[in-house]
Amino acid sequence: DVKVTQSSRYLVKRTGEKVFLECVQDMDHENMFWYRQDPGLGLRLIYFSYDVKMKEKGDIPEGYSVSREKKERFSLILESASTNQTSMYLCASGPGQGLQPQHFGDGTRLSIL
Amino acid sequence: AQSVTQLGSHVSVSEGALVLLRCNYSSSVPPYLFWYVQYPNQGLQLLLKYTTGATLVKGINGFEAEFKKSETSFHLTKPSAHMSDAAEYFCAVSDEAGSYQLTFGKGTKLSVIP
Repeated sequence: DVKVTQSSRYLVKRTGEKVFLECVQDMDHENMFWYRQDPGLGLRLIYFSYDVKMKEKGDIPEGYSVSREKKERFSLILESASTNQTSMYLCASGPGQGLQPQHFGDGTRLSIL
Repeated sequence: AQSVTQLGSHVSVSEGALVLLRCNYSSSVPPYLFWYVQYPNQGLQLLLKYTTGATLVKGINGFEAEFKKSETSFHLTKPSAHMSDAAEYFCAVSDEAGSYQLTFGKGTKLSVIP
């Protein structure tokens, strides 16, 4: 069974901390994505990566960075967490060049206090 | 820039009744259109997608959607609702062939009443 695995389902951090959200996929997909999901706003793309060490900004990259050192792993980094980054974060993957996300992880619900 | 409007943030239907979830889009070029489903405490799953060709698209779990260019719509339907269909449904559009940038609607939460 194909899987996108996010390292934590729930995470609580403090303002100003550096936060790492990890995502691993086992489908050998080239493309990986990080989305943020907020009630009434749907999903918004933070960053995506189409290859190892390659990344592109999405719609809301401010306050975030990403790392993709290996094909199967895509990390989202909050450099200095703030309360407005409290949200549900979804990782996704998709095959090939120019194809949309097909498989999503179960999400990490992040609370910043 | 493209946009997606899902009419109704909450929809309730009786078990066995028709499910109709509405999605309208705006796009300056022929779009790719998608429906995703999110069950409670889970990530999204791709239900179906329209790229080119036949405008009636069949997906998983008995759902289907029809692309109507003249109405800029891509409504999701299922003839008979099951309790297991209770979830949140998201419509999304990509306005370039082969683009991995999707614009999502705000979602419609479907409740199924026994």
